[in-house]
Amino acid sequence: EVQLVESGGGLVQPGRSLRLSCTASGFTFGDYAMSWVRQAPGKGLEWVGFIRSKAYGGTTEYAASVKGRFTISRDDSKSIAYLQMNSLKTEDTAVYYCTRDAPFYDILTWGYYYYMDVWGKGTTVTVSS
Amino acid sequence: EIVMTQSPATLSVSPGERATLSCRASQSVSSNLAWYQQKPGQAPRLLIYGASTRATGIPARFSGSGSGTEFTLTISSLQSEDFAVYYCQQYNNWSRAFGPGTKVDIK
Repeated sequence: EVQLVESGGGLVQPGRSLRLSCTASGFTFGDYAMSWVRQAPGKGLEWVGFIRSKAYGGTTEYAASVKGRFTISRDDSKSIAYLQMNSLKTEDTAVYYCTRDAPFYDILTWGYYYYMDVWGKGTTVTVSS
Repeated sequence: EIVMTQSPATLSVSPGERATLSCRASQSVSSNLAWYQQKPGQAPRLLIYGASTRATGIPARFSGSGSGTEFTLTISSLQSEDFAVYYCQQYNNWSRAFGPGTKVDIK
């Protein structure tokens, strides 16, 4: 069974750091890109960031709201993706979901894009003094 | 930045009826559009990708259509387990914006 399990959430003060982990099972982790998505209490979904597979350079993309503060990395030997969150703000309070990203070939533009096909159950991060 | 809008915000439907949800992008996203279902206290679940392809295990009563800037999710005959919030999301560029969601509740 394909599964993603997030961990590392908790209560943290503004300005501090926290690292989330996403442990994957049931598929070849190294073959896939991964993303993080968050959802503030009572709000909608916000994409946070993305990391390509090593075959495509393992490079990252970030939402403007977290760029320069958050870093995504991966350890394919352990099947884990990480979200390092620095300089946390109260507005970063949310449930953080890890997702597996699958490639989609768009025949209209002849390009490959990624959609989020598997989601973990999420871990809660609360930023408060 | 691409902005996604969804209408209506809330849709009240009786079980067995048809539900039609709309999603609009502020600029073309080609067919790079996904739909997700989220029930209270649960993670989102992928329903549709590529604007019209059902994800693995998704019942045939769910269908998606559209391209460019206008998209539709149709649930042909609502079942009790379909009452939830539905989000569209574009993955055509790196804003990867979600719409604000449509809540489908029981009429």
